[in-house]
Amino acid sequence: ETGVTQSPTHLIKTRGQQVTLRCSSQSGHNTVSWYQQALGQGPQFIFQYYREEENGRGNFPPRFSGLQFPNYSSELNVNALELDDSALYLCASSSGPIGADTQYFGPGTRLTVL
Amino acid sequence: RKEVEQDPGPFNVPEGATVAFNCTYSNSASQSFFWYRQDCRKEPKLLMSVYSSGNEDGRFTAQLNRASQYISLLIRDSKLSDSATYLCVVFFFFSGGYNKLIFGAGTRLAVHP
Repeated sequence: ETGVTQSPTHLIKTRGQQVTLRCSSQSGHNTVSWYQQALGQGPQFIFQYYREEENGRGNFPPRFSGLQFPNYSSELNVNALELDDSALYLCASSSGPIGADTQYFGPGTRLTVL
Repeated sequence: RKEVEQDPGPFNVPEGATVAFNCTYSNSASQSFFWYRQDCRKEPKLLMSVYSSGNEDGRFTAQLNRASQYISLLIRDSKLSDSATYLCVVFFFFSGGYNKLIFGAGTRLAVHP
């Protein structure tokens, strides 16, 4: 196992609601990246947090936001949920944003928006 | 054009077969390359890194051709346990100080007895 944990494992919400997903990074890792994986697609980069700051973002609207805490755990918040937000949300931790350091993925949170 | 393109498959092969997956990427500035394996409803797991010199890990051989922007994965003597989706992944480091993995949509492999 990678040592990266995510909660909850499954979640069902309705359109317009807000959701918070959580990720605990592997011990010693200070960088967390979040990805969205829609059914039948590869994961898509949402954003990356390093030392409690967002230091990179993919092509996702501002209603996707995040936090990183002093212990390097992280949250992903999604406001005004849409049906297309239904996906597997993955977080990945690594020991830094520089270089091709291996990213270790958590088991994911499966979000269903009705 | 997608940044990383793969044949979606599925590839249905008998045990013992040799199967090859191909992948192309669009950004010539991409720095590192990987194959990840993803089992149904699970997270992606790193299978192996890919180098221009080619690299082998048991029954798995990966190859990178930077000039053609082409990545391959060869699986020899397929096992039932190889059934999964194989994701071609490109690592890109941005000058703003962050990196991201760019995934292909994956190629599904089904190995049957």
